[in-house]
Amino acid sequence: DAEITQSPRHKITETGRQVTLACHQTWNHNNMFWYRQDLGHGLRLIHYSYGVQDTNKGEVSDGYSVSRSNTEDLPLTLESAASSQTSVYFCASSESGTGTYEQYFGPGTRLTVT
Amino acid sequence: ILNVEQSPQSLHVQEGDSTNFTCSFPSSNFYALHWYRWETAKSPEALFVMTLNGDEKKKGRISATLNTKEGYSYLYIKGSQPEDSATYLCAPLKTSYDKVIFGPGTSLSVIP
Repeated sequence: DAEITQSPRHKITETGRQVTLACHQTWNHNNMFWYRQDLGHGLRLIHYSYGVQDTNKGEVSDGYSVSRSNTEDLPLTLESAASSQTSVYFCASSESGTGTYEQYFGPGTRLTVT
Repeated sequence: ILNVEQSPQSLHVQEGDSTNFTCSFPSSNFYALHWYRWETAKSPEALFVMTLNGDEKKKGRISATLNTKEGYSYLYIKGSQPEDSATYLCAPLKTSYDKVIFGPGTSLSVIP
C-alpha cells in the first residue's frame, strides 16, 4: 500500500546544530508540503514543492530549507536549530493537476531543541 | 496570505448534542475548500473537498455546506460522540496550484 513516512519520529538536538527531517512518500505524488504544529495556529506551512527541482516558501520559512531531487522525498533542514523551532513537524503530499486533491499526512516528527 | 478564520476556537458539548462551526475566507478567487479532522497525537485526515457554491457533502454524521459568494463553509456534526473529539481544520484554495494554508482550527471536545 502507498504511504508517507517521516523519520525520525522523535529527535532531540541542541541549539545551533543542523538537523534534517526526512519525508518519503510512495504515492507518486508531485506535490509535497512541510507544516509545523503551533499552539493557537494549528498547522503552519513551512515549504512546499510541486515537483522535482521545485521548492517554494510558505508562511514560516525562515531558518528552514528543503530540496527536491526526486519525486518521493522532500527533506526539511533546520540550518541552525533554535528553541523556537521545537514543534511537531508534519509532511504531506497530494496529487497535482487541475483537480482538488486532498493531502495525505505523515505521522509527524516531534523535534525538541534544547 | 489568505485570511482564513474559524469559529469558535473551541467547543465543549455533551454526547448526543449536535454542533456546528464555521470557516470564513475571502470570497474572491475561490477554487476549492478542504476540511480536515485532526485527532490528538495523530495526523490530519481529509474529510471533504468542496468546490461548488451550494455544495453539500456528508460522511456519516458529519456534513458540510459551502457558500462561495459570501465566503464561508459550515461543518455540522449530528449527535456528537466522544470519538468526534478532534480539531477541525479548513483550508481554502484560490487556484488548483495554490499552496494549502490552514485556518487555526476549531477544537471540539465531546463529553460522555
